[in-house]
Amino acid sequence: DAKTTQPPSMDCAEGRAANLPCNHSTISGNEYVYWYRQIHSQGPQYIIHGLKNNETNEMASLIITEDRKSSTLILPHATLRDTAVYYCIPFISNFGNEKLTFGTGTRLTIIP
Amino acid sequence: DTGVSQNPRHKITKRGQNVTFRCDPISEHNRLYWYRQTLGQGPEFLTYFQNEAQLEKSRLLSDRFSAERPKGSFSTLEIQRTEQGDSAMYLCASSLFGRGGLDTQYFGPGTRLTVL
Repeated sequence: DAKTTQPPSMDCAEGRAANLPCNHSTISGNEYVYWYRQIHSQGPQYIIHGLKNNETNEMASLIITEDRKSSTLILPHATLRDTAVYYCIPFISNFGNEKLTFGTGTRLTIIP
Repeated sequence: DTGVSQNPRHKITKRGQNVTFRCDPISEHNRLYWYRQTLGQGPEFLTYFQNEAQLEKSRLLSDRFSAERPKGSFSTLEIQRTEQGDSAMYLCASSLFGRGGLDTQYFGPGTRLTVL
């Protein structure tokens, strides 16, 4: 499994863009980069995933470097409800490798 | 689509008792996963089912743990002779595999177990 490195914590002012980095230098060619978040005492929430190209949905944008060794999750206008732990997870579903491997993530705190 | 549901949301039990949790996946999702999360850690994989077949079990799943998915819909996770070390959040997720999609896992709210 590819290993990831994320800063343990970050702060962001409410209304500003939150940029969460992730290093996944050992990601394999067919693994997607998945992002989940977990608000206190809730189950993880799927945010977005990507392979090579940048992706955007109603929750966030995902920027993946050309060499695929790192990515950045962008929350364009952070609100207090975005306070959570964010996990970056390289993953591809293959027989024998169906589990998501969560690291310790980044604890994002949105400051009023 | 009502999402993944788990019951109960909280369970307090005494050491040595048996407990059972239930997970209802998203309708038509053929894969169902169980994870465990202890305080301050990320979720850890326990086991998963494709339809009614249990295809993988983690070493974390001791012989006191058993999971079933008898009709390929809901699943139960039973812990026998609970120990204080079993105190954790038990998370269920489901996904749709093999229909041309990416098998993205969607999680339920979890069941928090406290063993006294």
